[in-house]
Amino acid sequence: AQTVTQSQPEMSVQEAETVTLSCTYDTSESDYYLFWYKQPPSRQMILVIRQEAYKQQNATENRFSVNFQKAAKSFSLKISDSQLGDAAMYFCAYLPNTDKLIFGTGTRLQVFP
Amino acid sequence: DVKVTQSSRYLVKRTGEKVFLECVQDMDHENMFWYRQDPGLGLRLIYFSYDVKMKEKGDIPEGYSVSREKKERFSLILESASTNQTSMYLCASSSGTLDQPQHFGDGTRLSIL
Repeated sequence: AQTVTQSQPEMSVQEAETVTLSCTYDTSESDYYLFWYKQPPSRQMILVIRQEAYKQQNATENRFSVNFQKAAKSFSLKISDSQLGDAAMYFCAYLPNTDKLIFGTGTRLQVFP
Repeated sequence: DVKVTQSSRYLVKRTGEKVFLECVQDMDHENMFWYRQDPGLGLRLIYFSYDVKMKEKGDIPEGYSVSREKKERFSLILESASTNQTSMYLCASSSGTLDQPQHFGDGTRLSIL
């Protein structure tokens, strides 16, 4: 079965520092997509970043970047210069060719001033 | 901006009641999804729809049904609510190709007493 594992239920970081959230997934497919979604407290879930498996270059969106290791089936999210507004639940998600998005269990990120 | 609106933010119902959760999107998206979110389990797909009057089972469809009579509206129905259906329910929509990001509503926190 295809699974997505986020091994860190909670993480914390100091404002302006860098934090990395881990995600691993299990698949036998070669073409797929990976996503990181952010769910702030009591607010809508929004897309943070998207990676296509056939692209070797790691995706970047401003302060957010990923470390995509296809062979290791690892897709970590790095948040640089952390801000108080980054505090949220972060979900890693995998989209296989079967078309159903599979989410991890989430990592709650706290940001301290 | 894409707007996905869920009819209720909080809902309290009794065991055995028939419950309707409504979701409307304003971007003419073909795809719509219903998830439930539980602590430690992440998001799990209940049902999704590729087009009007089309529906596909997700990972946990038991006890639920859906209706999509119009493109913009996707309803989740709990035929006979049970206490184990107490959860946060999230609706999402996306454009034609499934690698496109999903846009989420605010969620409905449903309590079944």
